[in-house]
Amino acid sequence: ELVLTQSPGTLSLSPGERATLSCRASHSLSSNYLAWYQLQPGQAPRLLIFEASTRAFGIPNRFSGSGSGTDFTLTISSLEPEDFALYYCQYYAGSPYTFGQGTKLEIK
Amino acid sequence: QVHLVQSGPEVKKPGASVRVSCRTSGFTFTAYYVYWVRRAPAQGLEWLGWINPNSGVANPAPKFQGRVTMTRDTSINTAYLEMRSLRSDDTAVYYCTRGPPISVTFAAFDVWGEGTLVTISS
Repeated sequence: ELVLTQSPGTLSLSPGERATLSCRASHSLSSNYLAWYQLQPGQAPRLLIFEASTRAFGIPNRFSGSGSGTDFTLTISSLEPEDFALYYCQYYAGSPYTFGQGTKLEIK
Repeated sequence: QVHLVQSGPEVKKPGASVRVSCRTSGFTFTAYYVYWVRRAPAQGLEWLGWINPNSGVANPAPKFQGRVTMTRDTSINTAYLEMRSLRSDDTAVYYCTRGPPISVTFAAFDVWGEGTLVTISS
């Protein structure tokens, strides 16, 4: 069974800094059907990245995704106040559509 | 604009059932799968299952088979999730989300509802 491990669990940074979030798969993914989502309290989750590196519609270009195989990264080049939230990676190539346990990005 | 609007919060006793609705607009309801996902307190996201609104065929995640039913009403572009035999660890925010087009095998979940808090408490 696939496990996605996100690190760090919590990341404390200041606005303007660069954020690097990691998602590591327990085995090599046969396809790049890897997505990143942002969750803000009380809001609908938002798709940021799909196919590991493609920004979803309307997502600012400070968000970028990279990686393949077992190691994937979400990078936010310069943090804006609205970026402090929860982030989840997901492998969506069929059941059980595994999610990582999440990274909380908090203001330092 | 694509919208998924969910029903309001629910409080249920252990052993009861709950039904959450997801009213869609802005796209052809029968052309996309609807997926259900939940997030329990201090837990990650967990996929519950999907329904094909065109055919009505539903596929609960193995963990929830026998306890979850997904249905739809195409006349009002609405999907429903029913969960039975509720336990305290079912307390969570339940989300509906648009999945891939019916003709596509895999796609990320591009639009989500705002979530429905379901609290299980005696």
